[in-house]
Amino acid sequence: QVQLQESGPGLVKPSETLSLTCAVSGYSISSGYYWGWIRQPPGKGLEWIGSIYHSGSTYYNPSLKSRVTISVDTSKNQFSLKLSSVTAADTAVYYCASGYSYGYAYWGQGTLVTVSS
Amino acid sequence: EIVLTQSPATLSLSPGERATLSCRASQSVSSYLAWYQQKPGQAPRLLIYDASNRATGIPARFSGSGSGTDFTLTISSLEPEDFAVYYCQQRSNWPPRWTFGQGTKVEIK
Repeated sequence: QVQLQESGPGLVKPSETLSLTCAVSGYSISSGYYWGWIRQPPGKGLEWIGSIYHSGSTYYNPSLKSRVTISVDTSKNQFSLKLSSVTAADTAVYYCASGYSYGYAYWGQGTLVTVSS
Repeated sequence: EIVLTQSPATLSLSPGERATLSCRASQSVSSYLAWYQQKPGQAPRLLIYDASNRATGIPARFSGSGSGTDFTLTISSLEPEDFAVYYCQQRSNWPPRWTFGQGTKVEIK
């Protein structure tokens, strides 16, 4: 069973870079699946941020592409999100998730990131 | 960019009733459509993938149908634990990109 756990600062200052890590257990990242980040502003819907395939290819939401970097550390079996130049609009619960292209079957519990000075 | 529009925004039903949720795509997504359930404070759960296939462990009362631009999630008989928000999600063929609908809340009447 794939298990995912997000970690990172819960508070980020405006204009700085948001950095989160998703630790994976029960499955080797390099074996398969897409590994993605999805966020949800308080009281709102879901927004796909981007994903990385087990081969290392990355795919980003066009609306965030200029600010997003997703990378994998196979030695630690984890993947990471960096979102630069954050504003209050980036305040959200950030989820890491994994699955096949047809859907994300495995999700972390989510972590709230607040952008505020 | 493909836009997914879900309707209704809120569905008020009683336990035991049938729920029918709609998801319409701004252009054809073939059968690349998934449905998720989300309860307060929880991560979404994959219910249906490729329009009509139930994910592992999903009860048979959940079913999906449709192709192209019009899709439906049906809950045949609502259980108390089914009251939640439901999202549809499409995947573009290439490059892979995923888009969510705005959600339908199924609430107790």
